[in-house]
Amino acid sequence: DTGVSQDPRHKITKRGQNVTFRCDPISEHNRLYWYRQTLGQGPEFLTYFQNEAQLEKSRLLSDRFSAERPKGSFSTLEIQRTEQGDSAMYLCASSPSVQPSSEQFFGPGTRLTVL
Amino acid sequence: RKEVEQDPGPFNVPEGATVAFNCTYSNSASQSFFWYRQDCRKEPKLLMSVYSSGNEDGRFTAQLNRASQYISLLIRDSKLSDSATYLCVVTRMDSSYKLIFGSGTRLLVRP
Repeated sequence: DTGVSQDPRHKITKRGQNVTFRCDPISEHNRLYWYRQTLGQGPEFLTYFQNEAQLEKSRLLSDRFSAERPKGSFSTLEIQRTEQGDSAMYLCASSPSVQPSSEQFFGPGTRLTVL
Repeated sequence: RKEVEQDPGPFNVPEGATVAFNCTYSNSASQSFFWYRQDCRKEPKLLMSVYSSGNEDGRFTAQLNRASQYISLLIRDSKLSDSATYLCVVTRMDSSYKLIFGSGTRLLVRP
């Protein structure tokens, strides 16, 4: 399967714990995005990487959130001291081009439940 | 007010019906426009891009009115498999080309 993959697919954690999610984009896609989706809403942008550089972060990304893409390939999203409000689907997407009309290909998401 | 607004539905239609979804966006500098489809508990997938001249892909027709900041999607001859949430999406004129999603319109096609 050459699509975007995410791991884990589901994560249940207790409030206050740290969690880390991984995204493997489509090979050679230089653009990588993280989005968050809550029930009944569309995905909301969190952060964007071009190669290994994190070029944009949303105001949604509080200081408890950190994302990396160390070698310009896979990316990780860490949430420290999780809160119940962090419960959501975390989606990763990658894109091959700098054109605004380029399709973003989404992974299956990581569903986080904070108890 | 959200940057992209959609009627949440659900739209409940019989097979074979024609159904239209509308979407408005508030940022006049929005650059690119799309419809994404999302099945229940799945990731969004691009359905089609939307151009000012209008575009058609089989049973699906998309229209963009930049003056009114209005986007539409028409589905003809609805199939059971069309049941999904349809997300209206725009990008801004910035370097990231991040997607700005509406909340989605849910479509249920019944036999």
